[in-house]
Amino acid sequence: AQSVAQPEDQVNVAEGNPLTVKCTYSVSGNPYLFWYVQYPNRGLQFLLKYITGDNLVKGSYGFEAEFNKSQTSFHLKKPSALVSDSALYFCAVRDPTSGTYKYIFGTGTRLKVLA
Amino acid sequence: NAGVTQTPKFRILKIGQSMTLQCAQDMNHNYMYWYRQDPGMGLKLIYYSVGAGITDKGEVPNGYNVSRSTTEDFPLRLELAAPSQTSVYFCASSYTSGGVTDTQYFGPGTRLTVL
Repeated sequence: AQSVAQPEDQVNVAEGNPLTVKCTYSVSGNPYLFWYVQYPNRGLQFLLKYITGDNLVKGSYGFEAEFNKSQTSFHLKKPSALVSDSALYFCAVRDPTSGTYKYIFGTGTRLKVLA
Repeated sequence: NAGVTQTPKFRILKIGQSMTLQCAQDMNHNYMYWYRQDPGMGLKLIYYSVGAGITDKGEVPNGYNVSRSTTEDFPLRLELAAPSQTSVYFCASSYTSGGVTDTQYFGPGTRLTVL
């Protein structure tokens, strides 16, 4: 069965410092992986995805993520955090070999960037 | 394009009442999804649809029903509302072709309270 874990409920980082939000997954095949961001009282917004190809994926707002198959991870990163990056971040996975079109979402990580 | 729209934004129901949450998309997406978001629990898939006339259960379908008579609309029906259905409900859509699923686009959500 497919699953995704976000081990940190909250990440605090100072503005200007690099940030990392962690995500690990479990699927039987090669995964499709996604990162979404949610601002207060809003729906989820797409940041980036990995389907195939280059392990380093670049997305919106200067975010990037690295697909690591051996560690089954897809951590979200940004070289220099902004206060406006403070939000709730969700990792999601889909197993394209599962025969279903279900996405599994992590429980979310709240990022707080301190001025 | 309006993207994914949801109505109402907020609703309070009494136990045992019924209601329909509306969802519409104008992107000609074939796939549509309903999720619920409980605090600290991430998103759980309720139902999804791969096209007009075709729906399937997600992780937490009990207490809900859906229909998909057109490509654009995917209403979620709550029968006999219970306090456990207090949550924020998100509709999403995506385009899938040849087994490759594009990004999910989310609506702004409906905050439902059952008292």
